[in-house]
Amino acid sequence: AQSVTQLGSHVSVSEGALVLLRCNYSSSVPPYLFWYVQYPNQGLQLLLKYTSAATLVKGINGFEAEFKKSETSFHLTKPSAHMSDAAEYFCAVSDRNDMRFGAGTRLTVKP
Amino acid sequence: NAGVTQTPKFQVLKTGQSMTLQCAQDMNHEYMSWYRQDPGMGLRLIHYSVGAGITDQGEVPNGYNVSRSTTEDFPLRLLSAAPSQTSVYFCASSDRGTTEAFFGQGTRLTVV
Repeated sequence: AQSVTQLGSHVSVSEGALVLLRCNYSSSVPPYLFWYVQYPNQGLQLLLKYTSAATLVKGINGFEAEFKKSETSFHLTKPSAHMSDAAEYFCAVSDRNDMRFGAGTRLTVKP
Repeated sequence: NAGVTQTPKFQVLKTGQSMTLQCAQDMNHEYMSWYRQDPGMGLRLIHYSVGAGITDQGEVPNGYNVSRSTTEDFPLRLLSAAPSQTSVYFCASSDRGTTEAFFGQGTRLTVV
């Protein structure tokens, strides 16, 4: 079965700094990859998804992620963090039948 | 435009009680799933369905049953609740397994 590993359960950055959240995946078939964001006491919202088109995927709120097959990675980045980016972020992989999630990374943004 | 609706939002059960968490979607999605979210463990897949009448087990199916009699509804049953089932439960639906999953607002379940 496919799986996802998110490196770092907590990441803290200053406002205006680069955000980098790491995700590595394992899949026996070409994967579909996703990043979701969860704000407190809410469900998950899609940030972006990779579906084998462009390897650099742009999402909402200025986030983007790059699919690197050789590294089995799908790291999430944002050039300049904003206070409103503070949330928990989940990487997910789908093999076409079911979607599996990583353990999540909590992003803190310091003023 | 309701999307995915879960009920109830909060529930407290005693050990050994049974209950059903309800999930309904109005987007005509074929795929529906149940996840549980626990601190430090992300979302773990309990059961999923690829269409009416078809269900399958995920990562942590023990203690839970599901059925899918209609496209819209995908209830999750706890037959005999245990404290280990204290968690936040999310239902999700998608057009296919490869497209965006839409999530409900969650059900916070406490088993005492």
